[in-house]
Amino acid sequence: GAGVSQTPSNKVTEKGKYVELRCDPISGHTALYWYRQSLGQGPEFLIYFQGTGAADDSGLPNDRFFAVRPEGSVSTLKIQRTERGDSAVYLCASSLIRGVQGNEQFFGPGTRLTVL
Amino acid sequence: TQLLEQSPQFLSIQEGENLTVYCNSSSVFSSLQWYRQEPGEGPVLLVTVVTGGEVKKLKRLTFQFGDARKDSSLHITAAQPGDTGLYLCAGAGGGSNYKLTFGKGTLLTVNP
Repeated sequence: GAGVSQTPSNKVTEKGKYVELRCDPISGHTALYWYRQSLGQGPEFLIYFQGTGAADDSGLPNDRFFAVRPEGSVSTLKIQRTERGDSAVYLCASSLIRGVQGNEQFFGPGTRLTVL
Repeated sequence: TQLLEQSPQFLSIQEGENLTVYCNSSSVFSSLQWYRQEPGEGPVLLVTVVTGGEVKKLKRLTFQFGDARKDSSLHITAAQPGDTGLYLCAGAGGGSNYKLTFGKGTLLTVNP
């Protein structure tokens, strides 16, 4: 079956521009997560959705970052007024349910964002 | 803030050698996971350990969770070039079992 897909795979933008990154989770997965992975670092949690609602957005670095999941499936991470420091790989993951120890998160291949 | 320290950061060995990667923290985790990530791909889950002292084996890979659930190790026996990749440990805890805290990873290169 299809895994988590993310588009675009690469995005190059200029400082100050607006970008949208899309995530298609595995069908039937109710939980969706966004992480950011900078060069030489492990993924860093950004936000978690359970269904349509953002259950935990404590990892979003500032108010330039926003994410939605209007129908409880596809999610879009939106970054306003991009800065060079936003350059990273943005990973999306989904899982069948939450609240269960050891629940497996399946990761997509990521979107590599470069802000010039 | 929960932090996970992984060591070594880089490891280059010859095919057939054994190796151990460590993941340490001052915090207690309810579960700890090991992932392997290849260039241009997302992390892929290898194992989840939950109980202090737990040992799990996956073919040539042996994972151990510390008794106090603060540290873990990954041992690979007779490494093969196909084992090359970034190995990440990630802990869940602090009242949340979905928010994973990742270490920086160990970049393993196995030379033929």
